[in-house]
Amino acid sequence: QVQLVESGGGLVKPGGSLRLSCAASGFSFSDYYMAWIRLAPGKGLEWISYISAGGTTEHYADSVRGRFTISRDNAKNSFFLQMNGLRAEDTAVYYCARDAGGDFYDGRFDSWGQGTQVTVSS
Amino acid sequence: DIQMTQSPSSLSASVGDSVTITCRASESIGYYLNWYRQKPGKAPDFLIFAVSNLQSGVPSRFSGGGSGTDFTLTINSLQPEDFATYYCQQTYSTPYTFGQGSKLEIK
Repeated sequence: QVQLVESGGGLVKPGGSLRLSCAASGFSFSDYYMAWIRLAPGKGLEWISYISAGGTTEHYADSVRGRFTISRDNAKNSFFLQMNGLRAEDTAVYYCARDAGGDFYDGRFDSWGQGTQVTVSS
Repeated sequence: DIQMTQSPSSLSASVGDSVTITCRASESIGYYLNWYRQKPGKAPDFLIFAVSNLQSGVPSRFSGGGSGTDFTLTINSLQPEDFATYYCQQTYSTPYTFGQGSKLEIK
């Protein structure tokens, strides 16, 4: 079955960097758009970025544009989120998710990972 | 951005009860409304798409309704695994936004 496993979270100081990874299995990874979504304390889910199936198209929420970069390696069934210039408000559980649209962006997420905690604090 | 507001933010019920959660959009989103369930410490599950269509494998005790700006999620005959947090999401206009969540607890 579809499995998504995040890694790379942790505690980082403001202004620091982290790289999150998501390892996918159980489906044809290169046929799907993929996304990162986060859940901050006391807030609702927030979509932050997606990448097209072939990796040629990326899109970001305003809150992270210019600081975060999404990428993927279809040969390794993995995608990534490079987070630079981290702020306290980036503290959240970060989830990777598969878009239900397959090779077009649908915005509905039919499979999710368990999440990885990112804490930004001095 | 379209704002999604859920009510109540929390509610309590017993196994076997029925509950309804409401989601309101800040502008009309047609039928582009989805629901997710997140059990404690688990990944979110995709429950319902386009207001009322159950994702594969979702039990029929879940149902959704509404259109435009006002939507509902109803769960009949609550089971222990239904005590979780529920989120609505609009996919009408980017950025696709979620509600703040409705936490369903055991009474």
